Amino acid sequence: GENVEQHPSTLSVQEGDSAVIKCTYSDSASNYFPWYKQELGKRPQLIIDIRSNVGEKKDQRIAVTLNKTAKHFSLHITETQPEDSAVYFCAASKELEFYFGTGTSLTVIP
Amino acid sequence: DADVTQTPRNRITKTGKRIMLECSQTKGHDRMYWYRQDPGLGLRLIYYSFDVKDINKGEISDGYSVSRQAQAKFSLSLESAIPNQTALYFCATSRSGEKLFFGSGTQLSVL
Repeated sequence: GENVEQHPSTLSVQEGDSAVIKCTYSDSASNYFPWYKQELGKRPQLIIDIRSNVGEKKDQRIAVTLNKTAKHFSLHITETQPEDSAVYFCAASKELEFYFGTGTSLTVIP
Repeated sequence: DADVTQTPRNRITKTGKRIMLECSQTKGHDRMYWYRQDPGLGLRLIYYSFDVKDINKGEISDGYSVSRQAQAKFSLSLESAIPNQTALYFCATSRSGEKLFFGSGTQLSVL
């Protein structure tokens, strides 16, 4: 099966700085890579995703990059705000199955 | 709004009891999933279903069973609950294998 590793497990940044979370995956057949944000006590919600035929995707302050050769992908958040504080999960998927990383707890310090 | 609904929201049970967690969706999605979330371990896949006649084991299916009663309903059962099954359980749905939508979760405690 797929193995997704995510780093770091915790991350603290000053408001306005950038945050980067990195994930690696093991199955070269995985072709879809979503990122989820989970606020305290709430359900995970999709914030951005990327397919394997694309190297980078951006949505306002959030971007995701994918390196298929190295089998890693990253989430970049620029100009961080206190409301970005949450747990972020990466995932790798092929067809029906989604496998998640262990999560990164991001704290944005005002 | 179309949603993914889980019942109950919280459940406390004793070791050895059989319990069922239920999930229903109004999104019209064909694919449904059960995950459990443990601190530091992320979200781990228990079972998933492509349609009513399709059930597949995930990475941690031992001790669990599922039933897809209809396209909109997918239930998770613990035949004989044990304390290490204490976790937050999420149901999720998707269409065409993308964009998982999660339910609000069921916090299960096994004493």
